[in-house]
Amino acid sequence: QLVLTQSPSASASLGASVKLTCTLSSGHSSYAIAWHQQQTENGPRYLMKVNSDGSHIKGDGIPDRFSGSSSGAERYLTISSLQSEDEADYYCQTWGTGIHVFGGGTKLTVL
Amino acid sequence: QVQLQESGPGLVKPSETLSLTCTVSGGSISSYYWSWIRQPPGKGLEWIAHIYYTGSTNYNPSLKSRVTISVDTSKNQFSLRLTSVTAADTAVYYCARRHYDGKLGWFDPWGQGTLVTVSS
Repeated sequence: QLVLTQSPSASASLGASVKLTCTLSSGHSSYAIAWHQQQTENGPRYLMKVNSDGSHIKGDGIPDRFSGSSSGAERYLTISSLQSEDEADYYCQTWGTGIHVFGGGTKLTVL
Repeated sequence: QVQLQESGPGLVKPSETLSLTCTVSGGSISSYYWSWIRQPPGKGLEWIAHIYYTGSTNYNPSLKSRVTISVDTSKNQFSLRLTSVTAADTAVYYCARRHYDGKLGWFDPWGQGTLVTVSS
């Protein structure tokens, strides 16, 4: 079964960097995923897609502070030079066997 | 740039049918897939269905028996019907454009969402 696992929460200080992780279930380590950001009371915003080789393609207007990478079954979203507006929920998402799957989301707190 | 706007009743009675429409502006509905996704209050995201502009559809198996997605290219709109609703269907419903590169399908952009509450 295709499942995406995310830590429920993360925190980092203003101006620092943070790396969020999305883990693909066993047998699905070759899958690409997409990252979406959801700020409070807003609809989600597409950030980027991350391939199994670590390459990533960002959406229009996504700042350079956001980047993606991969290792094995893990897909990462790194945010550098954290700003207050980066405080949000971050969801990974993929497509497989005829269904879209979302991770449970990581709530990022900027301290 | 393409924008999406959900519309429909904010309150639906249990056992009745939820109907929502997504209006696409700033671009044509043709040549893309279009999706519905929902988010119960305080919870995560759940994909419901998507449709190609030609009318080809895919449904989440967990909802398939109750869901119909349709497209009206003349109005640049697509719609969602969810029958026999219960309180568990209370959620913010989002529409989104779906992209597909042969391996990954992803959503961009998203609408702002509309809250639908199921209650008598």
